[in-house]
Amino acid sequence: AAGVIQSPRHLIKEKRETATLKCYPIPRHDTVYWYQQGPGQDPQFLISFYEKMQSDKGSIPDRFSAQQFSDYHSELNMSSLELGDSALYFCASSFFRHYLAKNIQYFGAGTRLSVL
Amino acid sequence: AQKVTQAQTEISVVEKEDVTLDCVYETRDTTYYLFWYKQPPSGELVFLIRRNSFDEQNEISGRYSWNFQKSTSSFNFTITASQVVDSAVYFCALAYTDKLIFGTGTRLQVFP
Repeated sequence: AAGVIQSPRHLIKEKRETATLKCYPIPRHDTVYWYQQGPGQDPQFLISFYEKMQSDKGSIPDRFSAQQFSDYHSELNMSSLELGDSALYFCASSFFRHYLAKNIQYFGAGTRLSVL
Repeated sequence: AQKVTQAQTEISVVEKEDVTLDCVYETRDTTYYLFWYKQPPSGELVFLIRRNSFDEQNEISGRYSWNFQKSTSSFNFTITASQVVDSAVYFCALAYTDKLIFGTGTRLQVFP
């Protein structure tokens, strides 16, 4: 079965640079979520989109922005990168409109961002 | 406030031992969903189970079983006859609106 695809898997950037992370949800899934997991920590919710509209927002820095496109893929844009942004970034997707599948989020393999 | 507590930071067992991972949650919602995810050393997050607040039946899937008790706000996870491949960090999570609130995770190490 198709899973959530994230690219790139690894990314190395310098301070103050920008980065773009991409996420391709499971086919027919209409909701996308972004999480940030620092070293040795639990994943923290950043932002979510349902049908291309932002549906919820967590502790996402103003330097970050995201959107969901017409084909349901999503991109997380990160500017003015800081050392503290080094983390594993997960995208998850779910099929919100199916009651039985409500809230089951399936995660991608993550993008490991290193800011030097 | 919504909160998930996994008091066990790390557990080490020898293969074939049974092990239980504890999860305690806090929520004011009357309807809620709880989850367990596995994060192996390779880093991905793997969905294991979802349980809603209406259903207090325990669930078994192979060597995995889950004990949900609303009276104690607990959703514990037991692995029977553990194997080396079970070595991972296990996260308990609570769905709040549509986001997941994770506990801090329990690192399970299974030694041969």
